[in-house]
Amino acid sequence: DVKVTQSSRYLVKRTGEKVFLECVQDMDHENMFWYRQDPGLGLRLIYFSYDVKMKEKGDIPEGYSVSREKKERFSLILESASTNQTSMYLCASTPLAGGTGELFFGEGSRLTVL
Amino acid sequence: GENVEQHPSTLSVQEGDSAVIKCTYSDSASNYFPWYKQELGKRPQLIIDIRSNVGEKKDQRIAVTLNKTAKHFSLHITETQPEDSAVYFCAASVGDKIIFGKGTRLHILP
Repeated sequence: DVKVTQSSRYLVKRTGEKVFLECVQDMDHENMFWYRQDPGLGLRLIYFSYDVKMKEKGDIPEGYSVSREKKERFSLILESASTNQTSMYLCASTPLAGGTGELFFGEGSRLTVL
Repeated sequence: GENVEQHPSTLSVQEGDSAVIKCTYSDSASNYFPWYKQELGKRPQLIIDIRSNVGEKKDQRIAVTLNKTAKHFSLHITETQPEDSAVYFCAASVGDKIIFGKGTRLHILP
């Protein structure tokens, strides 16, 4: 079974803090994604990566950065958290390139910024 | 930018009846169209997908149809059951990305 693990299920941070969300997959997948999920807005793509040290902006990259130093690990970074970044963050991975394969999601990290 | 529109946002059907959720997409180069189901408090999971070289695909009570000319695709659930209650997301490939619709909350009424 593919396993995508997000290190923190629930986080509470203060405005201006730096936040790291970690995601690890154990199936040697090339492609990894970060989405945020908000009620009524669906899943919106923040960043994705198709190889180590490679990253591409998604539809809402402002206020976020990512790091992919190892194939299995994809980190989402909020340099200076703001209240409008309170959300559920979902990491996903897929073995197929070109947006053509099943996404395997982690459990999600619910971030609250006060 | 490229987007995926999904309707309705909420759908209530009587148990045993059929449910239909519709999506449209804007990128004519999209060639992969998955559907995900998300139960309350759980992660989204793929339930069915279709590629642009076929017009319909079926898996037991679930079917997806694709009209490439009109750029729309639909999810059909027949003989609905209580466990079908969830949020359903359609999605479409846009280059190397998968773009999601806003979701449909499906309620199965007893």
